[in-house]
Amino acid sequence: GAVVSQHPSRVICKSGTSVKIECRSLDFQATTMFWYRQFPKQSLMLMATSNEGSKATYEQGVEKDKFLINHASLTLSTLTVTSAHPEDSSFYICSARPGGSGTEAFFGQGTRLTVV
Amino acid sequence: AQSVAQPEDQVNVAEGNPLTVKCTYSVSGNPYLFWYVQYPNRGLQFLLKYITGDNLVKGSYGFEAEFNKSQTSFHLKKPSALVSDSALYFCAVRAGGATNKLIFGTGTLLAVQP
Repeated sequence: GAVVSQHPSRVICKSGTSVKIECRSLDFQATTMFWYRQFPKQSLMLMATSNEGSKATYEQGVEKDKFLINHASLTLSTLTVTSAHPEDSSFYICSARPGGSGTEAFFGQGTRLTVV
Repeated sequence: AQSVAQPEDQVNVAEGNPLTVKCTYSVSGNPYLFWYVQYPNRGLQFLLKYITGDNLVKGSYGFEAEFNKSQTSFHLKKPSALVSDSALYFCAVRAGGATNKLIFGTGTLLAVQP
């Protein structure tokens, strides 16, 4: 299947600093990528839809100024958690689909963010 | 609105026995249904999907799922469970057409005892 690579897999940062997470589609082009957040023992919560060359679409309740998304190319989307706080600690996962609406999404390995 | 329900937080089964992980959905129009598996601290791995055609779908690692339109269900099954199947399983639905969002169920933890 298609490969989506996410980096870093694990990051620890201090409160008030910013952290950037990268999501790359390695063998296909993705005009749309998705960012999810997962709390322990819970399901994935869609945060935003990243659109290549345009602004991301954020889900209700997600602060766009806190979670900056940039989709500058057809193979790369980045999520920057700005001015991180301990409550931002979570598991962040990206996904992308290589084809139309009937194709399955492929997911990155996830990033475990810990804010201390 | 689209929604997915996984009624069981956890399913326990002995190795070698058949397993079923339940999923029901609600969506306008024709559903696109998916099953994913997640191992600890990892992303999701695709198992199988139903888009159209045969109601019984076969996927990776010996898993299969049956689409039942009248019961709006898409239960995941495997004839003989392995200890290595122990993981978190997510059912997801996406409505056809222009909608791109994938909506996930709450997940079911499968524990296979040796």
